[in-house]
Amino acid sequence: KNQVEQSPQSLIILEGKNCTLQCNYTVSPFSNLRWYKQDTGRGPVSLTIMTFSENTKSNGRYTATLDADTKQSSLHITASQLSDSASYICVVSARSNYQLIWGAGTKLIIKP
Amino acid sequence: GAGVSQTPSNKVTEKGKYVELRCDPISGHTALYWYRQSLGQGPEFLIYFQGTGAADDSGLPNDRFFAVRPEGSVSTLKIQRTERGDSAVYLCASSLFLAGSTDTQYFGPGTRLTVL
Repeated sequence: KNQVEQSPQSLIILEGKNCTLQCNYTVSPFSNLRWYKQDTGRGPVSLTIMTFSENTKSNGRYTATLDADTKQSSLHITASQLSDSASYICVVSARSNYQLIWGAGTKLIIKP
Repeated sequence: GAGVSQTPSNKVTEKGKYVELRCDPISGHTALYWYRQSLGQGPEFLIYFQGTGAADDSGLPNDRFFAVRPEGSVSTLKIQRTERGDSAVYLCASSLFLAGSTDTQYFGPGTRLTVL
């Protein structure tokens, strides 16, 4: 069964600190992996998209990694800001169809 | 338009009533998606349009749910005989082509549906 699991479920860190969010998937055949940021009450916003051949991609203070062999991805946030408080959702696309398999997200809270 | 818009932003209705949720995608985007998101969960796929046609409606939970996109732009999600379990945020997204590629989906703010 195609699944995406994220950890931790929630995380609280102090402003200015770094953090890393994890994503494990069992989607096959794999097409691409995306990280989205979703603010409370808003729709998700795309941060990164990585295909099989890419193992790292950055978007400002966000850096995503992908290990297609172990089927793991991480999202690293550097020098966190209060505006980083949101849910971060890992999404995997199977090559066989267009549907995206969504994780439940990690709720990140940045405290001053 | 500048982004995907959805109306209404909030909808409260009584059990058994009919509701319509509207989505205006980004101009020129041929692909349009509807998702449903419950509290603390990721979005759940409902239906995908390519142009005017529903390319896949396998995510619609039952025949009370129906969606149209008659002119290949605006889409309406229709729910008949609403039930309390239909309460969720309904998200719409659009993209240039197919989500199976690296095509980015752009999401609207969602419509929060509450069925009393």
